[in-house]
Amino acid sequence: KNEVEQSPQNLTAQEGEFITINCSYSVGISALHWLQQHPGGGIVSLFMLSSGKKKHGRLIATINIQEKHSSLHITASHPRDSAVYICAVAGLETSGSRLTFGEGTQLTVNP
Amino acid sequence: DTEVTQTPKHLVMGMTNKKSLKCEQHMGHRAMYWYKQKAKKPPELMFVYSYEKLSINESVPSRFSPECPNSSLLNLHLHALQPEDSALYLCASSPGTQLAYNEQFFGPGTRLTVL
Repeated sequence: KNEVEQSPQNLTAQEGEFITINCSYSVGISALHWLQQHPGGGIVSLFMLSSGKKKHGRLIATINIQEKHSSLHITASHPRDSAVYICAVAGLETSGSRLTFGEGTQLTVNP
Repeated sequence: DTEVTQTPKHLVMGMTNKKSLKCEQHMGHRAMYWYKQKAKKPPELMFVYSYEKLSINESVPSRFSPECPNSSLLNLHLHALQPEDSALYLCASSPGTQLAYNEQFFGPGTRLTVL
């Protein structure tokens, strides 16, 4: 079992729909990162959170430390949101320089 | 300047070639990273530099040799690679080394093909 599990693996939505991507982890963490990767490779950091909720535009990320679970929500989805969304956790190790990645969720938003 | 640049974008090399990948950032970040990413897989950490010193080597084969000449520049020297080393190589930087408090900024990657 992976330390970081994402669901679903693939998600297809119609433009305008509300989207939720889930991330569960089995280890103690100091922070959780949500990343976005477009075709072609570039990765963008969307959120870094260790508690509660953060919002940026149409994106919302939440985390429940007790339940070891985080969600990424996209409101009013748009075809330009089509990308792979990756959840990654920073563990409790001394160096703190490693992220453990989930396998990613491929999101396709159709017009 | 808030970006990480990588050159070249694409690289094709033979198994006997020596080549280098270059990564640059001018954000004053003190940590820099090399990742390898295979298709449809998440990035795999290779090396971490902290304040220009190698702090993590994830048991990477010696045919990959990292170098950090100064705080803005990170190189990855390649020699005698194998076809299975073909992948997207991503560079990243962060203000500090603790990823509990620091977001990573990624470059666009170098797509490497080893023939």
